Amino acid sequence: EAQVTQNPRYLITVTGKKLTVTCSQNMNHEYMSWYRQDPGLGLRQIYYSMNVEVTDKGDVPEGYKVSRKEKRNFPLILESPSPNQTSLYFCASRAQGAMNTEAFFGQGTRLTVV
Amino acid sequence: GEDVEQSLFLSVREGDSSVINCTYTDSSSTYLYWYKQEPGAGLQLLTYIFSNMDMKQDQRLTVLLNKKDKHLSLRIADTQTGDSAIYFCAEMDQAGTALIFGKGTTLSVSS
Repeated sequence: EAQVTQNPRYLITVTGKKLTVTCSQNMNHEYMSWYRQDPGLGLRQIYYSMNVEVTDKGDVPEGYKVSRKEKRNFPLILESPSPNQTSLYFCASRAQGAMNTEAFFGQGTRLTVV
Repeated sequence: GEDVEQSLFLSVREGDSSVINCTYTDSSSTYLYWYKQEPGAGLQLLTYIFSNMDMKQDQRLTVLLNKKDKHLSLRIADTQTGDSAIYFCAEMDQAGTALIFGKGTTLSVSS
């Protein structure tokens, strides 16, 4: 089954404690990205990756890092989380090329930073 | 930059038609999308439309595109309680690197 898997689904952490949210896809997609969803703001892109070792900033990259060492994985790293990073995070992947290819989304990770 | 606007709430009765509207700014968008998000779930692609089309129908869903006015709508016929969700309109940015989402329309269906 084609899917994007994020872990954990829920996380509560304290300010400043480094954390990583993992994302893995089994569709051999070149393109992966991270979004955050906040009430009244919709989804905003944090980082994206066009392929292995190729990453770039989205609209709201501050406070986040990513890496793309393998095609299937695209972890989101918060080196020093702050309360304003409390949000619902989605990882997405799609095949590179035509823009009508469907973007597959993970189930989301609800992060609370206290 | 690109921007997508949609109304935040829509309430309908079961069996009625729902129409969710969206406006976008990037006239060069080639594809426009509708995603559905059910409570506690991720985003599911409902349908998309290519910019050279005016209309696309898929079972109970009808997408209308007015490219001149940069207006997109999603009509759900015979709306059911299971259609209650947040619906996002989205366009692909010019570089093809990001989906630009609207803020989402919460559809509430009462029986």
